[in-house]
Amino acid sequence: KQEVTQIPAALSVPEGENLVLNCSFTDSAIYNLQWFRQDPGKGLTSLLLIQSSQREQTSGRLNASLDKSSGRSTLYIAASQPGDSATYLCAVPRGGTSYGKLTFGQGTILTVHP
Amino acid sequence: EPEVTQTPSHQVTQMGQEVILRCVPISNHLYFYWYRQILGQKVEFLVSFYNNEISEKSEIFDDQFSVERPDGSNFTLKIRSTKLEDSAMYFCASMGQGAFGELFFGEGSRLTVL
Repeated sequence: KQEVTQIPAALSVPEGENLVLNCSFTDSAIYNLQWFRQDPGKGLTSLLLIQSSQREQTSGRLNASLDKSSGRSTLYIAASQPGDSATYLCAVPRGGTSYGKLTFGQGTILTVHP
Repeated sequence: EPEVTQTPSHQVTQMGQEVILRCVPISNHLYFYWYRQILGQKVEFLVSFYNNEISEKSEIFDDQFSVERPDGSNFTLKIRSTKLEDSAMYFCASMGQGAFGELFFGEGSRLTVL
């Protein structure tokens, strides 16, 4: 059974810092890994999708890396801003052809102070 | 930008009542999902739907739950007889053909069972 863990559970940083969020998964036989952002009481916004054949993906100030063999992914946020404050979730498919059947981590709550 | 829309945003109901949550997936998507998030807990998979039938369901998705795509645009989740423990945020998601597993989520419907 796939288990996804995110570290740290919460992170508070001053504006402008570069930061790293960590995600680990127990079953390395994944097709992809997706990072989401969730604002309080809101839905999930897809940030980045990394296919299993890729090592990293970039979107603006966000960079996600994937190391399948070690069961890890990191989300790097450059030059953090108060608007980045949210919960960040990583998720992986449960296996087989169930691309959309995701197992989620518990999330990292990020607070960026002005 | 295309998006997944959900209604209602918040519903309060009495235990034992039937509830229908509605979703309009992105128009050219073919795979549809329901997830839920109990307050303070992980997002968890409920059911996936493809080609007008359930393709997978979790152990949570028991006989009191059902899904339907009554027309070409709507995708609904029905809870026949709500329990207190059904209180949660319910998320609809959709995925396109050949999207390599990228899910797009709606804003969620918050269900409160009293």
